[in-house]
Amino acid sequence: QQQVKQSPQSLIVQKGGISIINCAYENTAFDYFPWYQQFPGKGPALLIAIRPDVSEKKEGRFTISFNKSAKQFSLHIMDSQPGDSATYFCAASFLNTGNQFYFGTGTSLTVIP
Amino acid sequence: DAGVTQSPTHLIKTRGQQVTLRCSPKSGHDTVSWYQQALGQGPQFIFQYYEEEERQRGNFPDRFSGHQFPNYSSELNVNALLLGDSALYLCASGVGGPGELFFGEGSRLTVL
Repeated sequence: QQQVKQSPQSLIVQKGGISIINCAYENTAFDYFPWYQQFPGKGPALLIAIRPDVSEKKEGRFTISFNKSAKQFSLHIMDSQPGDSATYFCAASFLNTGNQFYFGTGTSLTVIP
Repeated sequence: DAGVTQSPTHLIKTRGQQVTLRCSPKSGHDTVSWYQQALGQGPQFIFQYYEEEERQRGNFPDRFSGHQFPNYSSELNVNALLLGDSALYLCASGVGGPGELFFGEGSRLTVL
């Protein structure tokens, strides 16, 4: 059973546009929701993360929106740039039991100049 | 400050062989987790080591085993390799268990 479902699989956005990636989770006990960015040939790098006690977190051009009742969270990339072209993974974890992160299947983002 | 380092970066094995992958965690980190990332998929948790013991394990067979050394570095061993074991193997480190994970660049294993 896929614990975290991610969509879309791929996304093409014009430079300056808004990129939106969505994730849904099954287990209401998850309490840590990070987003990772991965460039080809590299390992995933933490972009931004949120706890379920807040509905939104913003860091620069990146914002996580969290809807606890719907068991959904999304990543918004404002003013998307060609350098943002990468694969993005959402994940979920139980903070009090260790580092087993459940990852989504990834979204390949292409930002067109 | 060196991040998470993994070796080798690429390797090719044949079915039935055994492989050992190595990981050095980020300075100051004491927890190491291993993930398998198949092409086009998200990383899948294999296991986590803390204080030289396996603390958590994902849904992987016993062919996958590991070890953590006193200096916190870690090894992942895979026996009796199958074609389906071809993947990018990622090591991630953290501090004392739960929290932020820092990933290495991975070891790309190809099984022929």
